[in-house]
Amino acid sequence: GAGVSQSPSNKVTEKGKDVELRCDPISGHTALYWYRQRLGQGLEFLIYFQGNSAPDKSGLPSDRFSAERTGESVSTLTIQRTQQEDSAVYLCASSHSNQPQHFGDGTRLSIL
Amino acid sequence: RKEVEQDPGPFNVPEGATVAFNCTYSNSASQSFFWYRQDCRKEPKLLMSVYSSGNEDGRFTAQLNRASQYISLLIRDSKLSDSATYLCVVNMEGRRPSGSARQLTFGSGTQLTVLP
Repeated sequence: GAGVSQSPSNKVTEKGKDVELRCDPISGHTALYWYRQRLGQGLEFLIYFQGNSAPDKSGLPSDRFSAERTGESVSTLTIQRTQQEDSAVYLCASSHSNQPQHFGDGTRLSIL
Repeated sequence: RKEVEQDPGPFNVPEGATVAFNCTYSNSASQSFFWYRQDCRKEPKLLMSVYSSGNEDGRFTAQLNRASQYISLLIRDSKLSDSATYLCVVNMEGRRPSGSARQLTFGSGTQLTVLP
């Protein structure tokens, strides 16, 4: 498909485990964003990638969170030693620079 | 102060009503603006861009007031299917004071429920 693809769509894991979430942006999109959305809450910015520039990590809530992106391709968001408050939907979006973002369906993460 | 602020609502209106949402932004360097719609437990989707002269798309009208630094979304003849959360998005050109090149900032959204 031509849209942003995220996997897995759902993830249930035990507290303390590490999880890795994947985002495949739309081909050619230079900008990639990760957001977190807790139930009933707004979007919480996590991290932004633009081409080969240094990412903006200012939204990462703790050092348990990290993300990588190779060039303008796939990105992975890793959460180490998960806590119950990490339970949320993690949304990825991509765009051409400052153009409107296109979102993936998200990964619904549940920490038991 | 948040960079982008919206009244969270909820706005509960009857079918056929006209409803308007405002969104204020703090950075005067902001250059482009968008409204997104997010249905319950779904990802946000672009509803419309907001142009300086104002623009209309069917029952939806978006306006920009640069002097007062706000944008608005007007929905006429509201339908049950308009029930959703409406997110305001602001794009700031250039770099932030922190040096980050991140440009797009989302508001936290305004919840609308259209009642039969």
